[in-house]
Amino acid sequence: EVVMTQSPATLSVSPGERATLSCRASQSIGSDLAWYQQKPGQAPRLLIYGASTRATGIPARFSGSGSGTEFTLTISSLQSEDFAVFYCQQYNYWPPWTFGQGTKVEIK
Amino acid sequence: QVQLVESGGGVVQPGRSLRLSCAASGFSFSSYVIHWVRQAPDKGLEWVAVISYDGNNKYYADSVKGRFTVSRDNSKNTLYLQMNSLSAEDTAIYYCASGSVAYNYGRGFDYWGQGTLVTVSS
Repeated sequence: EVVMTQSPATLSVSPGERATLSCRASQSIGSDLAWYQQKPGQAPRLLIYGASTRATGIPARFSGSGSGTEFTLTISSLQSEDFAVFYCQQYNYWPPWTFGQGTKVEIK
Repeated sequence: QVQLVESGGGVVQPGRSLRLSCAASGFSFSSYVIHWVRQAPDKGLEWVAVISYDGNNKYYADSVKGRFTVSRDNSKNTLYLQMNSLSAEDTAIYYCASGSVAYNYGRGFDYWGQGTLVTVSS
């Protein structure tokens, strides 16, 4: 099973600032990585797939990068609606499809 | 538009069974792989099970293997999750989710239902 590890657990950022979230895979997964955003009381929303391709309707301030075992989600200028929990997920070696434990982005 | 609507959650005693449903609309249900993902209270996401577009292939997380069964009725555009021998560790919101590429098992889960809460408690 591929273990996904996200850091940090919590990120405190001021509106308008940049946020950088990390995700590490326990073995190489190529670019088979997705990022999700989840707000309280809501289902997750797909942001990024293929490590760097934005899903339909996702604003350009969200960008993904990386390959192999190291991945990054960057939010270039945080808006009030962006504060949430973010998860990475690998889909290279399945089953199972595995998620990271999440990074909470909170208002500083 | 694509819509997934889960139902069937509730409070159930340990050791009992429950069947969840996921009603799909707005897309060609019979062409899509569908997953179940769960989230325990204040915890992260855990993949539970997947079923192929035609129902012939099914995979499960080790934590539910032998207790849960995923199935689908393409004539009714509905996915099911039969959960047996439930324990407190199965308490979670259960989501059905699918991708946007037909016949594809992975590329991210584009569409999610709103979830249904299962609480296992005596």
